Amino acid sequence: EVQLLESGGGLVQPGGSLRLSCAASGFTFRSYAMNWVRQAPGNGLEWVSTIRGSGDSPQYADSVKGRFTISRDSSKDTLYLQMNSLRAEDTAVYYCAKALGDTTMALDYWGQGTLVTVSS
Amino acid sequence: EIVLTQSPATLSLSPGERATLSCRASQSVSTYLAWYQQKPGQAPRLLIYDASNRATGIPARFSGSGSGTDFTLTISSLEPEDFAVYYCQQRSRWPLTFGGGTKVEIK
Repeated sequence: EVQLLESGGGLVQPGGSLRLSCAASGFTFRSYAMNWVRQAPGNGLEWVSTIRGSGDSPQYADSVKGRFTISRDSSKDTLYLQMNSLRAEDTAVYYCAKALGDTTMALDYWGQGTLVTVSS
Repeated sequence: EIVLTQSPATLSLSPGERATLSCRASQSVSTYLAWYQQKPGQAPRLLIYDASNRATGIPARFSGSGSGTDFTLTISSLEPEDFAVYYCQQRSRWPLTFGGGTKVEIK
């Protein structure tokens, strides 16, 4: 059974940093692209970032480019999102999501999400 | 960036009725379009990928169609558990983008 468990969310001041983790199990982690998608309170879904199974070719939304870094550790089957220079508009539930394939970016499994609140 | 426009914003229907949801892309996405269902307090769930392929475990009452810029998600007969918000998403070009969602509510 595929499971994705996010952690690392919390309250952070504007300008601060946070690192999210997503522990994966139930599939061959290194064979699939992984994604971060966020949802601000009461809003729709916003794609944040994608990383291929090899760790190559990370992609970022313009809204986070230069501030967020996606990475993965296949020895630990874990996905990460390092978030720096956080802003109020980054407040959201952050989901990690597995892609259908390494290049097929339909997202077939999602974690339950971790809430990031950016506020002073 | 490819913009996805979903309509209507809200669909009020009764159980047993047919639901037809639309997603229009600002430029062609071929058939690289997916549909998701999200219930309050839950993560999204993949229903349809590549326009018309049902994901694993998705009931046959859910079907998808379309190509290019116009896509449709059809729920043939609404079950009580189908009342939720539905999103479309394209994977044709970076950045990945989602539509704004259609809420299917009980009439």
